[in-house]
Amino acid sequence: DIQMTQSPSSLSASVGDRVTITCRASQDISNYLAWYQQKPGKAPKLLIYAASTLQSGVPSRFSGSGSGTDFTLTISSLQPEDVATYYCQKYNSAPSITFGQGTRLEIK
Amino acid sequence: EVQLVESGGDLIQPGGSLRLSCAASGFTVNSNYMSWVRQAPGKGLEWVSVIYRGGSTYYAGSVKGRFTISRDNSKNTLYLQMNSLRADDTAVYYCARGSEPPRTGVFDYWGQGTLVTVSS
Repeated sequence: DIQMTQSPSSLSASVGDRVTITCRASQDISNYLAWYQQKPGKAPKLLIYAASTLQSGVPSRFSGSGSGTDFTLTISSLQPEDVATYYCQKYNSAPSITFGQGTRLEIK
Repeated sequence: EVQLVESGGDLIQPGGSLRLSCAASGFTVNSNYMSWVRQAPGKGLEWVSVIYRGGSTYYAGSVKGRFTISRDNSKNTLYLQMNSLRADDTAVYYCARGSEPPRTGVFDYWGQGTLVTVSS
């Protein structure tokens, strides 16, 4: 099975900072990678799919990049409402779906 | 507007059974791949099961043989029948809609979740 590993597990940054979260797949998954945001007590929300395509309605400060095994989620200017846990997810080999372990983002 | 509303979560004893429901609106459950995803308290997301448009079903190894996913097109509702429940099945269970092809494994809508607690 393909494993998804995110880093860091948690991070703290200041409002306005550029934040980067990394996701690594144990095998090549091309660009079959999605990112989700989960705020405390809420359901996950789709941010990005196909590694770099922004879901409709998601602020443009969010962006994704990468292919193969290494991917990044970037927030260009951190806002207070971005406090959440972020998950990557691979979907290249249906029906098998795997999430990363999550990255908790806090405001400094 | 697409909406997913789960129900059926409860406190249940180990070995017991429970059926979760997910009522959909704004689309038909047989027109998309539909999945269940769970999240144990304080833990990450774990995919549980999917039902394809054609009716094929698939399960995570941790629930195979114990859980059954199904849908009722007339009620536009997705179900998860959970048998032989164990303590490690304790989680919030979300239903999630798969996007249009070719990204059917991407979950574009989620329900609010329903809590299943397995404990004596």
